[in-house]
Amino acid sequence: NAGVTQTPKFRVLKTGQSMTLLCAQDMNHEYMYWYRQDPGMGLRLIHYSVGEGTTAKGEVPDGYNVSRLKKQNFLLGLESAAPSQTSVYFCASRRNLHSGANVLTFGAGSRLTVL
Amino acid sequence: AQSVTQLDSHVSVSEGTPVLLRCNYSSSYSPSLFWYVQHPNKGLQLLLKYTSAATLVKGINGFEAEFKKSETSFHLTKPSAHMSDAAEYFCVVSGGYGGSQGNLIFGKGTKLSVKP
Repeated sequence: NAGVTQTPKFRVLKTGQSMTLLCAQDMNHEYMYWYRQDPGMGLRLIHYSVGEGTTAKGEVPDGYNVSRLKKQNFLLGLESAAPSQTSVYFCASRRNLHSGANVLTFGAGSRLTVL
Repeated sequence: AQSVTQLDSHVSVSEGTPVLLRCNYSSSYSPSLFWYVQHPNKGLQLLLKYTSAATLVKGINGFEAEFKKSETSFHLTKPSAHMSDAAEYFCVVSGGYGGSQGNLIFGKGTKLSVKP
């Protein structure tokens, strides 16, 4: 079982460039999330989705866009990258809010550096 | 609103000695609480979870945590540390049905070092 797969694992961008991070899950989960992790800050929610075709803002959404055209995929886009977006990005998913205690399954992370 | 505070940013223990990682939470209703572990350059792995059943929760790798409502705490313990326990640990509270649709609120993490 692949679980949650993130691509790419590493990327270096120049300020102003755009890119898309892809998250794919094969567990038929309804809910998907994008977090960023910065030293001493824990994980902060960027955007999330409660089902195919729906997205919503989290705690730190500025500078990012997302799309969930297919249930299994959740894309995170940076239209014009800034050095402040240098971070490790984690995707996570869970079946729904009613099954067994809200357990999230995480991807392995994507390390993004913006120069 | 929910929040979680990890009281130590860094804990250092010797191999074979007990581990205590402290976590306090704030929640306006009965929370679900979790501990996740992150080894260097890896993703997050669930250690254990509390969901209003037994207050003493056992997890993987010999870890356990006790939910104490009166103290709003959910401290993580292990009787004897192993070198492989060196990692960063996150205490997490469930956001429930309000706010960000069941988002999990993460503490800032506690880095555990284990000395030989």
